[in-house]
Amino acid sequence: EGQLVESGGGLVQPGGSLRLSCAASGFTLSSHWMHWVRQVPGKGLVWVSRVNNDGSSTVYADSVKGRFTISRDNAKNTVYLQMNSLRAEDTAVYYCAGGGTWGQGTLVTVSS
Amino acid sequence: QSALTQPPSASGSLGQSVTLSCTGTSSDVGGYNYVYWYQQHPGKAPRVIIYDVTKRPSGVPDRFSGSKSGNTASLTVSGLQAEDEADYYCSSYAGGNEVFGGGTKLTVL
Repeated sequence: EGQLVESGGGLVQPGGSLRLSCAASGFTLSSHWMHWVRQVPGKGLVWVSRVNNDGSSTVYADSVKGRFTISRDNAKNTVYLQMNSLRAEDTAVYYCAGGGTWGQGTLVTVSS
Repeated sequence: QSALTQPPSASGSLGQSVTLSCTGTSSDVGGYNYVYWYQQHPGKAPRVIIYDVTKRPSGVPDRFSGSKSGNTASLTVSGLQAEDEADYYCSSYAGGNEVFGGGTKLTVL
């Protein structure tokens, strides 16, 4: 069974940057569109971004457009989310998902 | 990018059936057969239980079933079990982006 593992979360100051990674094992990333979804603890799921199979098409939620960039490296079986100009309201657990599989999430905290 | 509408809570007794709703628009739920349902237990990652409106991934009990009518999708849980108590979210393709519902907390009495 396939597995997705996120990494790269942590504490960052407002205005700072982080890059999240999502590594796939037992799961062929290139077969699927991949998404990032976030969840403030205790709140609902919010879709953030998605990238198509070969990385040629990306879409973003209005709340992150122009600040976040999704990308993928199918050779490394990994998806990324580059997050710039971070705000307090970006604080959440970030999940990567695709092909019916979800990772366990990585916590991003934006605070001074 | 408006969220889909789900009732915040629902409940049912052990062994009974409950149906959860997910209402969108013709631009999302009503326009595409790409509705997903997720189950999330506290502190855990979401798990896909229904995809493409009606399909069940392997390993998901057939007590879970999905349907759609117009702009509203539904998840029916039959023969409720204690472990079904969880948060349930729906999502839909919306012509490029994806949109989630706010979630329904299902309590098993």
